[in-house]
Amino acid sequence: DTGVSQNPRHKITKRGQNVTFRCDPISEHNRLYWYRQTLGQGPEFLTYFQNEAQLEKSRLLSDRFSAERPKGSFSTLEIQRTEQGDSAMYLCASSPLSGSSYNEQFFGPGTRLTVL
Amino acid sequence: DAKTTQPNSMESNEEEPVHLPCNHSTISGTDYIHWYRQLPSQGPEYVIHGLTSNVNNRMASLAIAEDRKSSTLILHRATLRDAAVYYCIRKGAQKLVFGQGTRLTINP
Repeated sequence: DTGVSQNPRHKITKRGQNVTFRCDPISEHNRLYWYRQTLGQGPEFLTYFQNEAQLEKSRLLSDRFSAERPKGSFSTLEIQRTEQGDSAMYLCASSPLSGSSYNEQFFGPGTRLTVL
Repeated sequence: DAKTTQPNSMESNEEEPVHLPCNHSTISGTDYIHWYRQLPSQGPEYVIHGLTSNVNNRMASLAIAEDRKSSTLILHRATLRDAAVYYCIRKGAQKLVFGQGTRLTINP
């Protein structure tokens, strides 16, 4: 397994369009997280899943944002009616429920979104 | 979610030790202290974590003050590859609450 993967790596879209990002976690990692990072800032938590259940959502996650993890494996993050303020790096991370790496979150390379 | 306090930037020389400080004066008794680092154009990478005792791993050491209001990440012998933004994080529940971190520059 090569780690967390995210697709696409870059996305340029026009304001008002919908976009969808995909995250494939490390296999057998039960927990999956989404974060957003704007330039010069640390990542901000958006939401997390344990298996297919979405257990926590940040207030940052407006009703234009929706995340799913239907089979408890990969996850998608959709942004509807994108705004220029949505331009950021969207990071996905995963972690196991037990074992020596229980306390670590393993991050993917991120999807950079640019809204024109 | 209260964030930790770190210097914006630090500079060190290659092959010298680096001590990165972090203040978390309002930390609760059950919050762990985690450190992650982020190299340019990459996602964050776990470095180390601890609760009360000092911790060592292959990457670094973590020294936690007795009152737990501060901690120090120690890189014993910095290399150019250690140049990154280092984040000190209080972790109570599942989510990581990042601050702005410390940008570490390593001079050859």
